[in-house]
Amino acid sequence: AQKVTQAQTEISVVEKEDVTLDCVYETRDTTYYLFWYKQPPSGELVFLIRRNSFDEQNEISGRYSWNFQKSTSSFNFTITASQVVDSAVYFCALSEAWTGNQFYFGTGTSLTVIP
Amino acid sequence: NAGVTQTPKFRVLKTGQSMTLLCAQDMNHEYMYWYRQDPGMGLRLIHYSVGEGTTAKGEVPDGYNVSRLKKQNFLLGLESAAPSQTSVYFCASSYSGGPNEKLFFGSGTQLSVL
Repeated sequence: AQKVTQAQTEISVVEKEDVTLDCVYETRDTTYYLFWYKQPPSGELVFLIRRNSFDEQNEISGRYSWNFQKSTSSFNFTITASQVVDSAVYFCALSEAWTGNQFYFGTGTSLTVIP
Repeated sequence: NAGVTQTPKFRVLKTGQSMTLLCAQDMNHEYMYWYRQDPGMGLRLIHYSVGEGTTAKGEVPDGYNVSRLKKQNFLLGLESAAPSQTSVYFCASSYSGGPNEKLFFGSGTQLSVL
């Protein structure tokens, strides 16, 4: 079973539009961590944010915000006023305390921001 | 600020050929990982290492071997390449391998097996 589901394969938005990338996860562990990574055209994945299962506070960092809801097992990522530089593939990932260093990645969402 | 460096960046092999991908990190990280990225599959873990001299299998280890003779280097080998191993390979590292640690990635190696 897929532990991390990113149902949106590709999204295109026009610059300055807001866009939300969905991430749904599955785990039986009570202690777990959720991540978002960005993969720009250059290829290297870059860490964006980490959340632990005990911290449901939403987080905002500039134009980026993350909505963590345990009730729906979701960790969605919103980009406000999108820019061309936001064009990338975004991966959501899960790790569980009991499996330690095993990270489960979603299949990624490719975002294209059209100028 | 090299971080995680992978070589080569691109490679084309014929079926049955062998090759080694090199990953080097300069952050003194204990844990290192090899992932492959395929369309519609996300990143899948091939092998990982929890420290110098140790390696372990990940989700898709068949057809690959690894070695970690030095802490800073993690090698991924293909003894007899197959077309199914056409993929983009990423190396990653983390400081101590905890589930809450972020991964640092290399820029990837695009491998085509004909």
